[in-house]
Amino acid sequence: GQNIDQPTEMTATEGAIVQINCTYQTSGFNGLFWYQQHAGEAPTFLSYNVLDGLEEKGRFSSFLSRSKGYSYLLLKELQMKDSASYLCAVPRGKLIFGQGTTLQVKP
Amino acid sequence: EAGVTQFPSHSVIEKGQTVTLRCDPISGHDNLYWYRRVMGKEIKFLLHFVKESKQDESGMPNNRFLAERTGGTYSTLKVQPAELEDSGVYFCASSERAGTRETQYFGPGTRLLVL
Repeated sequence: GQNIDQPTEMTATEGAIVQINCTYQTSGFNGLFWYQQHAGEAPTFLSYNVLDGLEEKGRFSSFLSRSKGYSYLLLKELQMKDSASYLCAVPRGKLIFGQGTTLQVKP
Repeated sequence: EAGVTQFPSHSVIEKGQTVTLRCDPISGHDNLYWYRRVMGKEIKFLLHFVKESKQDESGMPNNRFLAERTGGTYSTLKVQPAELEDSGVYFCASSERAGTRETQYFGPGTRLLVL
């Protein structure tokens, strides 16, 4: 089966850096997705990692360690608009989601 | 390019009634997925269409749920009769191709409340 864990909530300050962790246990591995979801809106694609290491995309970076079953999303120079839920998901044809991490950015 | 759209955005119905949700995928996307998020839980897969065919319906909770995609374009998800535990947010997603590396693009969801 699949098991994906993320912290439920996190709080950070505007301008700071925050790291959102995701651990997974899957039978077979085909990469890991991160999505951002603002309240009442569609989840939107942020990143896809299938190889170990860090991939940077502007203020957002995503890291993967396949041997540890671990990924994180790194958000730099936090802005108020980054307040949202961040969902990690592993693909098995369909997407298997974690519960999501609600990030609150405070001034 | 228009994204995935869903209708209605909200629906409030009474237990025992019928509700039909609609999803219009991104034009040209053969793959269409339905997901659901109930309160306090993670988003869970319901089913996957490739064009008009059901590829995987392993996530459908019971036979009160019926999904169709006639003509391989838009899809409907009907719940009949609705029960209290059906309340949640129903998301639709589409992708151009199937495959584990394919990004799925989500709609904004339909918020269903069954009273």
